[in-house]
Amino acid sequence: DAGVIQSPRHEVTEMGQEVTLRCKPISGHDYLFWYRQTMMRGLELLIYFNNNVPIDDSGMPEDRFSAKMPNASFSTLKIQPSEPRDSAVYFCASSLGAQVSYGYTFGSGTRLTVV
Amino acid sequence: AQKITQTQPGMFVQEKEAVTLDCTYDTSDPSYGLFWYKQPSSGEMIFLIYQGSYDQQNATEGRYSLNFQKARKSANLVISASQLGDSAMYFCAMREGLRGGSEKLVFGKGTKLTVNP
Repeated sequence: DAGVIQSPRHEVTEMGQEVTLRCKPISGHDYLFWYRQTMMRGLELLIYFNNNVPIDDSGMPEDRFSAKMPNASFSTLKIQPSEPRDSAVYFCASSLGAQVSYGYTFGSGTRLTVV
Repeated sequence: AQKITQTQPGMFVQEKEAVTLDCTYDTSDPSYGLFWYKQPSSGEMIFLIYQGSYDQQNATEGRYSLNFQKARKSANLVISASQLGDSAMYFCAMREGLRGGSEKLVFGKGTKLTVNP
């Protein structure tokens, strides 16, 4: 398996533009997570899905952020409009199930810079 | 309250020496799992080692071992014979089982390890 695949690896955009981050989880993994990493706040869980259904989006910072999982092999995180404070590394991760022994497999991350 | 506490923002170690990275956790759930991840400067998150709350023995994976002290709620990572390539951020994380929210992996703030030649 190729692992969790995220695209793009780097994104530079102007304030006010729409940004879409993409993720392909590992085949067979039931859970998909979106995290944001910044120096100030560390790793923050934004939202996660189970079997393509959003379970908890309490970490989504505001209405400018939205996430979808239209099928088991694809998810998007959209920011519209983007702001400089959204600059961060965004990770997607997937997990085989909810058992405590199941860790996450992370994608390589998308480094977003909003100027 | 913080679920995972890593009190060492930065650590330094000489090459070939052992180093211990501290992690304490807070849970009332009898079933939980503890994980360590490594994040090198390239940015990816790499799984290192796992310890289950019911495991009788400390987990080991090559040069990595986990010093699990359940009563103290600590799960320290020990890296033996440090190598220059071990320089990275290290994150401790926990997944709780029975009381809900077991899907979530909660991370500590991390410890930046620097291995000196």
